[in-house]
Amino acid sequence: DIQMTQSPPSLSASVGDRVTLTCRASQTISNYLSWYQQKSGTAPKLLIYSASTLQSGVPSRFSGSGSGTDFTLTISSLQPEDFATYYCQQGYMAPYTFGQGTKLEIK
Amino acid sequence: QVQLQESGPELVKPSQTLSLTCTFSGGSISNGDFYWNWIRQPPGKGLEWIGYIYYSGNSFYNPSLESRVAISVDTSKNQFSLRLTSVTAADTAIYFCARSMVYSMYFDSWGQGTPVTVSS
Repeated sequence: DIQMTQSPPSLSASVGDRVTLTCRASQTISNYLSWYQQKSGTAPKLLIYSASTLQSGVPSRFSGSGSGTDFTLTISSLQPEDFATYYCQQGYMAPYTFGQGTKLEIK
Repeated sequence: QVQLQESGPELVKPSQTLSLTCTFSGGSISNGDFYWNWIRQPPGKGLEWIGYIYYSGNSFYNPSLESRVAISVDTSKNQFSLRLTSVTAADTAIYFCARSMVYSMYFDSWGQGTPVTVSS
């Protein structure tokens, strides 16, 4: 299985901050990488697919980059509603695996 | 507006079979552009992909669960279903159904999730 490793596991930040979350795959996955936001008690929400394509309706402050094994999700200016847990997921090879998540908390 | 909604028992006894159904609305489950997936999340943990089914009935499962899982589809009802046999406490989780694109495995629409507890 392809292992997805996210860092950091948790991050404290303030409204207005620029933050970057990292995801690393255990082998190359081209650009088959997606990012999801999950708030407590709700289903994950797709933010980014194909490493850098913004899902319809997602604010432009979210952006993704990377290819191969190393990927990032950047939030350019944190808003109160962005505090949540973020997961990356590889869609390159079954079984399709997720990272363990980065919990973004208010400082 | 597409919607997915899980349904089924929230409590299952150890060694028995977990059965859930996902109802899709806002389109046809027979759309050949999509796979129909089950994903689960144990309490306080991350996400695990269980498997998918295509409208034709072709399915693919996570090898870690393959011996115990079956996913079926009923296109007449716009539904697909999960069966997981011989459950243990380790199968306690929130179970989500989700849609993914055939050509790129990302999950663009999710059900709200249904909690399932395995306990006697």
